[in-house]
Amino acid sequence: QVLLRESGPRLVKPSGTLSLTCAVSGDSITSANSWSWVRQPPGKGLEWIGEIYHTGSTHYSPSLTSRLTISVDKSKNQFSLSLTSVTAADTAMYFCARDQPGYGFDQWGQGILVTVSA
Amino acid sequence: DIQMTQSPSAMSASVGDRVTITCRASQDISNFLAWFQQKPGGVPKRLIYASVGLESGVPPRFSGSGSGTEFTLTISSLQPEDFATYYCLQHHSYPRTFGQGTKVQIK
Repeated sequence: QVLLRESGPRLVKPSGTLSLTCAVSGDSITSANSWSWVRQPPGKGLEWIGEIYHTGSTHYSPSLTSRLTISVDKSKNQFSLSLTSVTAADTAMYFCARDQPGYGFDQWGQGILVTVSA
Repeated sequence: DIQMTQSPSAMSASVGDRVTITCRASQDISNFLAWFQQKPGGVPKRLIYASVGLESGVPPRFSGSGSGTEFTLTISSLQPEDFATYYCLQHHSYPRTFGQGTKVQIK
């Protein structure tokens, strides 16, 4: 059974850095899959943030690329997100997900609500 | 970027109704399209992969069709547990893009 679990601070101050980690179990981070972050502001739709392959190759949302870094830690079987210079607009539920080649997102974490507030 | 235009944004329907939701891609995405169901406070759940593939455990009243730029999710006979928000996702190219969502409400 594949499980993904997000962790990190739930409250971040404006202009600070939002940092989250997704721990993966039941699959290797070095498998053929890619690993994504998706967010959902309260009451709004889903927004793809970015994705990483175990080689370190990344793809980012054009709207976030200047503030975003996604990294992978193969030794811990996890991947991480760092979003700098956050504002209230970055308040959202953040999900990590597995992206199967050719099939899209099949496994999701439970999500973590991150609030940007002073 | 590929834009996904989903319609309708919301709809009211009754138990037993046939429901159709459409996603249109701004360019050809072949069959690289998935459909998700999300209930309030919940995690998106994949219903359909590769445009027409039914996820294991998903009731057969759900079906997907289409290729290229036009895609459809159909619920043949709406059940009480189907009231939720539905999203399409293109995974043909980067950036990945979701449709705006369709909220299916009780009439």
